[in-house]
Amino acid sequence: AQRVTQPEKLLSVFKGAPVELKCNYSYSGSPELFWYVQYSRQRLQLLLRHISRESIKGFTADLNKGETSFHLKKPFAQEEDSAMYYCALSGPNYGGSQGNLIFGKGTKLSVKP
Amino acid sequence: GAVVSQHPSWVICKSGTSVKIECRSLDFQATTMFWYRQFPKQSLMLMATSNEGSKATYEQGVEKDKFLINHASLTLSTLTVTSAHPEDSSFYICSARGGLPHPYEQYFGPGTRLTVT
Repeated sequence: AQRVTQPEKLLSVFKGAPVELKCNYSYSGSPELFWYVQYSRQRLQLLLRHISRESIKGFTADLNKGETSFHLKKPFAQEEDSAMYYCALSGPNYGGSQGNLIFGKGTKLSVKP
Repeated sequence: GAVVSQHPSWVICKSGTSVKIECRSLDFQATTMFWYRQFPKQSLMLMATSNEGSKATYEQGVEKDKFLINHASLTLSTLTVTSAHPEDSSFYICSARGGLPHPYEQYFGPGTRLTVT
């Protein structure tokens, strides 16, 4: 079954500390993995996708197929990083007629001053 | 670019009535639109996928006669919750695909909070 698991509902860190939001997935095939972010009172927006292998706002995520993980990391957290983070996956035909996204339950990141 | 709007942002209706939610792509033509439902403190669950001019594809467990989706144009999709009941109270979010710079990306609307009394 296709599934995305984010084990932490809430992650609280101090400003300047490293942060890692965990994401594990279950998928029979080669999925595309994404991280979405939702800041307070704002809409969901894409943070990064694994095929781009890019760093956005200092965040990176590496797809580990052996561990079926796609953890989101940032070496030095900032207060403005406080938000809800969702890990999501799609089948390889993401750009096709369906392109469905399966979301994890999300992790709320709170960065304290 | 790639802005998606929803209307209304929140609505309260009485049990048994129907309510329509609009999803618009403001500055691009959306080849595909998706409707999600989000319960409090839970994740987004895909309800259906709609392509302009064709019938929506519903996810397993979603009643197509209860959640009517119409994607009449490349910039508008509507979700009508028919004969609403309190258990239909939820946050409904749409997304649209076809915008730039990433045409395969899903751009999300701000959501509509539905409360059925």
